Amino acid sequence: AQRVTQPEKLLSVFKGAPVELKCNYSYSGSPELFWYVQYSRQRLQLLLRHISRESIKGFTADLNKGETSFHLKKPFAQEEDSAMYYCALRSGSARQLTFGSGTQLTVLP
Amino acid sequence: GAGVSQSPRYKVTKRGQDVALRCDPISGHVSLYWYRQALGQGPEFLTYFNYEAQQDKSGLPNDRFSAERPEGSISTLTIQRTEQRDSAMYRCASSSQGSNTEAFFGQGTRLTVV
Repeated sequence: AQRVTQPEKLLSVFKGAPVELKCNYSYSGSPELFWYVQYSRQRLQLLLRHISRESIKGFTADLNKGETSFHLKKPFAQEEDSAMYYCALRSGSARQLTFGSGTQLTVLP
Repeated sequence: GAGVSQSPRYKVTKRGQDVALRCDPISGHVSLYWYRQALGQGPEFLTYFNYEAQQDKSGLPNDRFSAERPEGSISTLTIQRTEQRDSAMYRCASSSQGSNTEAFFGQGTRLTVV
């Protein structure tokens, strides 16, 4: 069975500082990994996926199969990045997502 | 509408009552998913549909939970004889056809069983 672990429930950084949100997964095959974000009073929305290999709002995430990790990084955090972030996995032919428990990021002024 | 719409946004019900939660997906989206999110946890998969066919219901916790999508559009998640442990945020998502398509989420329904 697949599992997604986000070890930090809360993370605070100062504006302009680098930020890294950790995500580890367990799955025996080749997973698809995603980061979803939920800003205050908004719906859950896709931030980025590993197959796109793109940077969204300055965030990047690299799939490391050796370490089974998909950490989310941004070199200079902004106050508007404050939100709840969820790492998610989609496995094989299954269409549904398996989510981690989320990390609440607060960017302090 | 422009996005996935869920109703009601908030539902308070007494233990033992039945509740029906509605999801109206993005027009034309083939796939529809239901998730449940307890406080402090990530969303957990319940069930999903392609068109009107329920493809996977392995996440439904027990037989008090059921879902339907009779015309391949709007879906209803029904919880019978609600219990306090059913209190959670219920999220619906939809996606278009294809293996790499994005799932779009609704605002969710916050269910409280008292």
